[in-house]
Amino acid sequence: EVQLVESGGGLVQPGGSLRLSCAASGFTFSSYSMNWVRQAPGKGLEWISYISSSSTNIYYADSVNGRFTISRDTAKNSLYLQMNSLRAEDTAVYYCARDDQYESVEVIDYWGQGTLVTVSS
Amino acid sequence: EIVLTQSPGTLSLSPGERATLSCRASQSVSASYLAWYQQKRGQAPRLLIYGASSRATGIPDRFSGSGSGTDFTLTISRLEPEDFAVYYCQQFGSSPLFTFGPGTKVDIK
Repeated sequence: EVQLVESGGGLVQPGGSLRLSCAASGFTFSSYSMNWVRQAPGKGLEWISYISSSSTNIYYADSVNGRFTISRDTAKNSLYLQMNSLRAEDTAVYYCARDDQYESVEVIDYWGQGTLVTVSS
Repeated sequence: EIVLTQSPGTLSLSPGERATLSCRASQSVSASYLAWYQQKRGQAPRLLIYGASSRATGIPDRFSGSGSGTDFTLTISRLEPEDFAVYYCQQFGSSPLFTFGPGTKVDIK
């Protein structure tokens, strides 16, 4: 069974930093690309970052580019999101999500339960 | 950047009724790149449909997807109590890599 468990969320002041982690199990982590997707309270879903299986390809949404850094540790079956210069508008539940190829197209197919990040003074 | 619009914003129906949800793209999207997700309150999203019309593993056949170009549809043939949720369409693109629609809430009439 695919399991993705996020951790590291919490309350942080504007301008501060936070590092999210995602522990993966139930599949061969090193073979899959991964994503972070967030959801502001009461709002829709926003994709924010992607990392390929080998970490060769990394992409960010414009809203976080230059402030957030995605990374992965295959030995620990873990995905990370380093978030710097946090703003109030970064307040959201952050989901770790697996990416697979379905008929040669990238599809986000499994999601963790999310971790809440609140940016407030 | 391709923008996805979903309608209606809210759909109020009774169990057993048919639900038809629309997703419109601001420019033509390959059907291969269109997916649908279900999100229940307090839960993570779940993949329902990929490639516009292929059901994901374990998804009941009352869920079906169709469409091409700029217009896509998710149909729930007969609503079950567990189907009342928010549904998002999503497209795989270039920049940003994934784009979601604003969602359609299906609630109990």
